[in-house]
Amino acid sequence: DAKTTQPTSMDCAEGRAANLPCNHSTISGNEYVYWYRQIHSQGPQYIIHGLKNNETNEMASLIITEDRKSSTLILPHATLRDTAVYYCIAFLGTDKLIFGTGTRLQVFP
Amino acid sequence: SQTIHQWPATLVQPVGSPLSLECTVEGTSNPNLYWYRQAAGRGLQLLFYSVGIGQISSEVPQNLSASRPQDRQFILSSKKLLLSDSGFYLCAWRRIGRTEAFFGQGTRLTVV
Repeated sequence: DAKTTQPTSMDCAEGRAANLPCNHSTISGNEYVYWYRQIHSQGPQYIIHGLKNNETNEMASLIITEDRKSSTLILPHATLRDTAVYYCIAFLGTDKLIFGTGTRLQVFP
Repeated sequence: SQTIHQWPATLVQPVGSPLSLECTVEGTSNPNLYWYRQAAGRGLQLLFYSVGIGQISSEVPQNLSASRPQDRQFILSSKKLLLSDSGFYLCAWRRIGRTEAFFGQGTRLTVV
């Protein structure tokens, strides 16, 4: 699975959009991009995933660049409850599931 | 619907004592199962994963072992705990293929 690079931390004002970037320049053609988040002292929670096309669900939107070397997770209206560590994973769908260090998002009032 | 159970939620154990953490999944069959550890302020470290009964892959050499005696049961063990074994232990499952993983609530282990 391809390595991903994310900023260590980000801040976002409550009610504003949170845009979390992820670089995956070595991603292969059949690796999907997955996003999870981990709220303090809880297990990670799946958010969204995609291959080429942009994806949207009730939690977030995922924008993948045309060359697939990077992506952005968008939380359209961040709330205090969105404060968490966000993990971006390039996943082939094989057995191993490896997490990086993620981005710590702090939403402030 | 599928659920994952992990217990206990917290555990304080003395150095040198044994450990057994259990994880069970309901509502699915033949899941991939995972054990992760998270040290304080750190990321998730994959310890073991299993694709079937009795099939265990170890990612990091350490003082721990894992077993899968039944299809939906995954056990993390140690014969003698070290101080460095302290951390937040998470069990997870996912279906085979490009599917999302579901995590348990975790066990916070403190070795004293």
